[in-house]
Amino acid sequence: GNSVTQMEGPVTLSEEAFLTINCTYTATGYPSLFWYVQYPGEGLQLLLKATKADDKGSNKGFEATYRKETTSFHLEKGSVQVSDSAVYFCALRSGGYNKLIFGAGTRLAVHP
Amino acid sequence: SAVISQKPSRDICQRGTSLTIQCQVDSQVTMMFWYRQQPGQSLTLIATANQGSEATYESGFVIDKFPISRPNLTFSTLTVSNMSPEDSSIYLCSVEETASYNEQFFGPGTRLTVL
Repeated sequence: GNSVTQMEGPVTLSEEAFLTINCTYTATGYPSLFWYVQYPGEGLQLLLKATKADDKGSNKGFEATYRKETTSFHLEKGSVQVSDSAVYFCALRSGGYNKLIFGAGTRLAVHP
Repeated sequence: SAVISQKPSRDICQRGTSLTIQCQVDSQVTMMFWYRQQPGQSLTLIATANQGSEATYESGFVIDKFPISRPNLTFSTLTVSNMSPEDSSIYLCSVEETASYNEQFFGPGTRLTVL
């Protein structure tokens, strides 16, 4: 079945450090891939998405590239800020199904 | 994107009681969904709320425990029935708009604690 695997957290970084959060997936067909972010005490926000191989989603300095050959969608940011501290969820949606399948989430803590 | 509100934002309930959670959207949407996020865990889809017909439930979730209504294109309710402490979770409503196909947007969630 379809599934999403994320690197375990928490990830702790200093401000301005480079961020990578790994995400790999298993899916039939050609899924769409998403990153959602959940700030403390808030609901989920869509951060970025990619709908086909080699697409790059980007938003707020975050980027992720849909790699079909490695079934990956790693999240990156060149210079993190304290305000980026949150839980990040990788998710997929397999064609024809509206259901989002989420990874376990990765907590990011950025210190000044 | 659509603005989604949920009521209540949080509640503390006694074992054996039921709670109805409301989800209101400021525009008509094609799809509405209910998810559960158990403490420290990821999100799991409970069901798709279908307008004018019975909801479509995921494996492990049943209508008797989680009855859902969707009377129109902007509103849905989820009831958590005969609650136990294991039902303590955040319940989130999400929507998909016709204009932004393939994107789901989430409400702020309802944090439920069952004693």
